[in-house]
Amino acid sequence: GENVEQHPSTLSVQEGDSAVIKCTYSDSASNYFPWYKQELGKRPQLIIDIRSNVGEKKDQRIAVTLNKTAKHFSLHITETQPEDSAVYFCAAAFGNEKLTFGTGTRLTIIP
Amino acid sequence: ETGVTQSPTHLIKTRGQQVTLRCSSQSGHNTVSWYQQALGQGPQFIFQYYREEENGRGNFPPRFSGLQFPNYSSELNVNALELDDSALYLCASSLQGTETQYFGPGTRLLVL
Repeated sequence: GENVEQHPSTLSVQEGDSAVIKCTYSDSASNYFPWYKQELGKRPQLIIDIRSNVGEKKDQRIAVTLNKTAKHFSLHITETQPEDSAVYFCAAAFGNEKLTFGTGTRLTIIP
Repeated sequence: ETGVTQSPTHLIKTRGQQVTLRCSSQSGHNTVSWYQQALGQGPQFIFQYYREEENGRGNFPPRFSGLQFPNYSSELNVNALELDDSALYLCASSLQGTETQYFGPGTRLLVL
């Protein structure tokens, strides 16, 4: 089955700097890669997703890149703000079948 | 917010008991997936329901079972509760044929 690895497990950046979180997946059949943000005690919230026919997608300060050959994808957050502090999860899936999640990255923005 | 609702929000049970958790999907969504999130970990897929039938199952024992109703809402039932079943249980709704899954707020289950 699919296996998703995520790094780093914790990340602290100064407010205004950029943050990058990386994930690798094992199943070449996976074609959908969402990123979720989860604040303490709350639901995972979809922040951006990318499909395997696209190499990069951007939404304001958030961007995701996908390298199908290397089977890795990354989340980039620019101009970080205190409200970006949360746990971020990457995931991989084939279509709308089960999401396989990474282990999460706790991002802390230092004011 | 996503429009996906879950009940109850919190639940305390003792080992060996049975529990039923409920999920109402977002309007227009016909597929419900259930996930278990242990503390400090990512969600783990339990199973998915579409057209009232199980449409994929993760590595969970048969004492985890579910239902989907004609209005697309869903239940997760866990029998013979074990201490390790303590977790946040999340449901996610989606529209069959599209990939995006939207999560509900979860039910936090504590087994003593």
